[in-house]
Amino acid sequence: QKEVEQDPGPLSVPEGAIVSLNCTYSNSAFQYFMWYRQYSRKGPELLMYTYSSGNKEDGRFTAQVDKSSKYISLFIRDSQPSDSATYLCAMSITPLVFGKGTRLSVIA
Amino acid sequence: NAGVTQTPKFRILKIGQSMTLQCTQDMNHNYMYWYRQDPGMGLKLIYYSVGAGITDKGEVPNGYNVSRSTTEDFPLRLELAAPSQTSVYFCASSYGIATNEKLFFGSGTQLSVL
Repeated sequence: QKEVEQDPGPLSVPEGAIVSLNCTYSNSAFQYFMWYRQYSRKGPELLMYTYSSGNKEDGRFTAQVDKSSKYISLFIRDSQPSDSATYLCAMSITPLVFGKGTRLSVIA
Repeated sequence: NAGVTQTPKFRILKIGQSMTLQCTQDMNHNYMYWYRQDPGMGLKLIYYSVGAGITDKGEVPNGYNVSRSTTEDFPLRLELAAPSQTSVYFCASSYGIATNEKLFFGSGTQLSVL
């Protein structure tokens, strides 16, 4: 079993939809949970960062962590075509462990 | 502020050739990393450095070498290129160790070995 599992998609949704992206993990030592966004032919950039179980909001984005289930999610509300990208979850002790990434397309 | 700069952006190598991927950062970050990204496979750590003169292996170091003579530069050397090294290579940096520090990535080098 890999340390971090992420469905690679691709996922295609209409503009305005609510998007749910998920990762599961097996290592209980992971303490920090991050979501990186990667546009085509670009390097990843940090989108959200959480430490504890619960929700964290930033505009249209909500990161959710459930340590008891070893499950993290990223929700995108009112999705826009500009949200079309690959989303990678990342978790850490040292160094970061990345999921495979989910490719999202938001269709206008 | 340029951030993390990688050169070249694209390169085609023949089997057995060698090359160096360049990476430089102007943020005075202590930590630097090299990742490779294969289609649908996420990012795999090749090597990382916690400061000038100090490097350590990541998950997939075989076939690569690194050096860190200055804080700014962290070149990745490929010796005897093989088709399995066809990938997109990303350099990244962070101020602290990447457990809870934001990684800044370069725009990548797309390498094909034929």
